[in-house]
Amino acid sequence: DTAVSQTPKYLVTQMGNDKSIKCEQNLGHDTMYWYKQDSKKFLKIMFSYNNKELIINETVPNRFSPKSPDKAHLNLHINSLELGDSAVYFCASSQDLRFLTEAFFGQGTRLTVV
Amino acid sequence: GENVEQHPSTLSVQEGDSAVIKCTYSDSASNYFPWYKQELGKRPQLIIDIRSNVGEKKDQRIAVTLNKTAKHFSLHITETQPEDSAVYFCPKIFGNEKLTFGTGTRLTIIP
Repeated sequence: DTAVSQTPKYLVTQMGNDKSIKCEQNLGHDTMYWYKQDSKKFLKIMFSYNNKELIINETVPNRFSPKSPDKAHLNLHINSLELGDSAVYFCASSQDLRFLTEAFFGQGTRLTVV
Repeated sequence: GENVEQHPSTLSVQEGDSAVIKCTYSDSASNYFPWYKQELGKRPQLIIDIRSNVGEKKDQRIAVTLNKTAKHFSLHITETQPEDSAVYFCPKIFGNEKLTFGTGTRLTIIP
């Protein structure tokens, strides 16, 4: 039973298109995140949500818009895709970092913009 | 400041030898120190963590040691095996539920 699942696993699209990545967690966690990992393995936080509310937005372009319909879901919509958006995007969740607990990651979505 | 530095950035170790990766931090209020492992093409996963009231924690071939005075914590892997080849991260926990990673350490086990 997958704890954090994201879809799709692979996404190839042309520049200028709009795409979405979905994420769901069945752990009952309060906090969810989106991370971007570039080709050099730098893993950078993009957004975090706590109980459907945006907590962190790390200088991400406005073309990226997260949406959390409920605390088990955090989707990422990207408008007007650019070549530099190519990366692996990870969704993650944790109970609450203030309680110092493990973060669980999805399997990642490899986005390739051509 | 809230910076974490991880060293080395790359490490190659002969199979069977030990590997040590070190993280230094600057926030004196830090009290939770996790290590994550990311195998090639896979997701990051927690492998071991330590809290500030403990100096060392072991789990089979891996261990984490904490030196609060010097503000660093280290990951130790003994009797390394090919499956230990991965990128290892020591993320930093900030306030407001911010769990931040960096570039990690790429560990390569040489057969």
